[in-house]
Formats: sequence, structure tokens, C-alpha cells
Amino acid sequence: QQQVKQSPQSLIVQKGGISIINCAYENTAFDYFPWYQQFPGKGPALLIAIRPDVSEKKEGRFTISFNKSAKQFSLHIMDSQPGDSATYFCAAINTGNQFYFGTGTSLTVIP
Amino acid sequence: GAVVSQHPSRVICKSGTSVKIECRSLDFQATTMFWYRQFPKQSLMLMATSNEGSKATYEQGVEKDKFLINHASLTLSTLTVTSAHPEDSSFYICSARLTSVETQYFGPGTRLLVL
Repeated sequence: QQQVKQSPQSLIVQKGGISIINCAYENTAFDYFPWYQQFPGKGPALLIAIRPDVSEKKEGRFTISFNKSAKQFSLHIMDSQPGDSATYFCAAINTGNQFYFGTGTSLTVIP
Repeated sequence: GAVVSQHPSRVICKSGTSVKIECRSLDFQATTMFWYRQFPKQSLMLMATSNEGSKATYEQGVEKDKFLINHASLTLSTLTVTSAHPEDSSFYICSARLTSVETQYFGPGTRLLVL
């Protein structure tokens, strides 16, 4: 059973546009939500993370929006650049420190 | 900070041989390290969790006698794929978690190809 559902599977955005990736979870015991960026042939790199007591967190061009009541969170990449082209994974960690990944979104930013 | 390295980055071996992959936390001590396997265009699949000085905990369906994990120190964990077969060819990624923080930091991965 997929604990964290991620969409879309793939996304194509024009340079300068906004990329939006969504994740939803069922388990209310999750209390930490990181996003990872992975380039081909590389390991995932931590991008940004949020706790459920905060509705939004922004770091540079990357913003996480969190809706606790809907059990959804999303990653927004503002002013998307070709260098942002990668696979993005959301994740959720529960109070027992168990880690659950989303299925990944392949982002392509067209020049 | 929080850098994790893996060695080797790529390995090709013959069927039936064993391959050892090292995972090191370079600038922090990791009481817990994780080993993942990733198939092309798919998410990471957790294979096992290893705590320093104790036996690894394997996920359901992962053969512990085939994928030997040793976590001898707070900065080093090794994964040995024993008697490797072509179906073991994959991208293996380790991660390490700081003692007091939930976030995992990932290594760059090891591409294994078994001929």
C-alpha cells in the first residue's frame, strides 16, 4: 500500500514558469515532510522540508505548501530553469522515524 | 555538512561473484544507515535499516543471506551482494541519519551490473 501518493508522474514546464508537484498521505502519524531532488545517476539530495505545524515554507525559488486538514502538501518551483530538470520525490516520516517515499515526478524544464 | 559517500560508484562483475559497497558519513556520526535499491524511473525501495553495532533489520522480501549488511562504526556501513546474479543489477543507494534529526542524507549511489 502506497503511504504517500505523488502526482503528476511527469511534468513539462517552460523556462520561467511555475512547477507544481503534489503529494497526499493517509497516516496522521507523519510529522515531517521532506522533498528530495535526484539527477540521473545520482543519489537524492534534500531540497526542503516542512513540519505540519507550518502551512508554508520558502527557500529561494522552492516553496512547500502544507494543508494539514486535507493531508496534502506540494512543492512549488518558481521561475523554473532547465537546471531544475530532475526527478523529485516527496517523503513522509512518522513518529517512529519510518520513512515513506512518493513515487517520484520527472520534471523537464524547456528552455 | 551532512555528506555521505559511496564506493565504488560503478561496478561490473561476473555472475556468482560477491560485491561489497561501502557507505560513509564524512562529517557526522550516523547511528542509523539505510540501504535502498532503485530501478530505472522508479522510486527508492528500502532494503534494510542498519544500526551501529547491531544486526540489520531487513524489509519483507529482501534476502538477508544474499544482501549482507555490516555497520561496524558510526561512519561506515557496508552492503555485500553475495553470489550476484544479473537480476541483482540495479542502482544501490545508502543514506544516513543524524542521531537527533529525522532527515536522511543520501549517498551518490552505486551502479551494479552483473554479467
